[in-house]
Amino acid sequence: QQPVQSPQAVILREGEDAVINCSSSKALYSVHWYRQKHGEAPVFLMILLKGGEQKGHDKISASFNEKKQQSSLYLTASQLSYSGTYFCGTGGYSGGSNYKLTFGKGTLLTVNP
Amino acid sequence: SQTIHQWPATLVQPVGSPLSLECTVEGTSNPNLYWYRQAAGRGLQLLFYSVGIGQISSEVPQNLSASRPQDRQFILSSKKLLLSDSGFYLCAWSSHRGYNEQYFGPGTRLTVT
Repeated sequence: QQPVQSPQAVILREGEDAVINCSSSKALYSVHWYRQKHGEAPVFLMILLKGGEQKGHDKISASFNEKKQQSSLYLTASQLSYSGTYFCGTGGYSGGSNYKLTFGKGTLLTVNP
Repeated sequence: SQTIHQWPATLVQPVGSPLSLECTVEGTSNPNLYWYRQAAGRGLQLLFYSVGIGQISSEVPQNLSASRPQDRQFILSSKKLLLSDSGFYLCAWSSHRGYNEQYFGPGTRLTVT
């Protein structure tokens, strides 16, 4: 089941903050966040596994709610380099295995000077 | 460290022609391997994944096929390309030991004319 991302797009000025949400109707095994710059491959940012977990590096952080049905990505004091499309990928079990991720449709983030 | 290669980087092929895209991973053994397709401005569609040599799981029925002849080699093929096969093809790998964090190759941009 594909997770729902919101918003679809957001435009910021440098230094502003943004929140991107990823939600599912079912509890998730894991949530992965990726960033893809135009014309390039997605790059892994972080993974959340536990309900209530929060983690991050630099000015990009993420949380996973207690029910493990929603994750949010926080971009603080945005920089021009943060521009790109952000995807969440949700992990689950398929036939006893945990090999697949189902990605949301992405959130296009544009940071302007 | 691990690296993932894809070639060619770009490809223009006529409708009805065959296709072969190659992906190789270095610096790890027995990786999970994935093929994704991304249409222009769209999300990531999982096409195939493999957890071992000769083991291929297909996600979307279509005129594409995948093979894994060696541990760190993953090939995407078609006998006859369709216009709808155009897109950005991404190979990714993950470790069996992790939580399926996926690392993407640089991608192949395919245009079917």
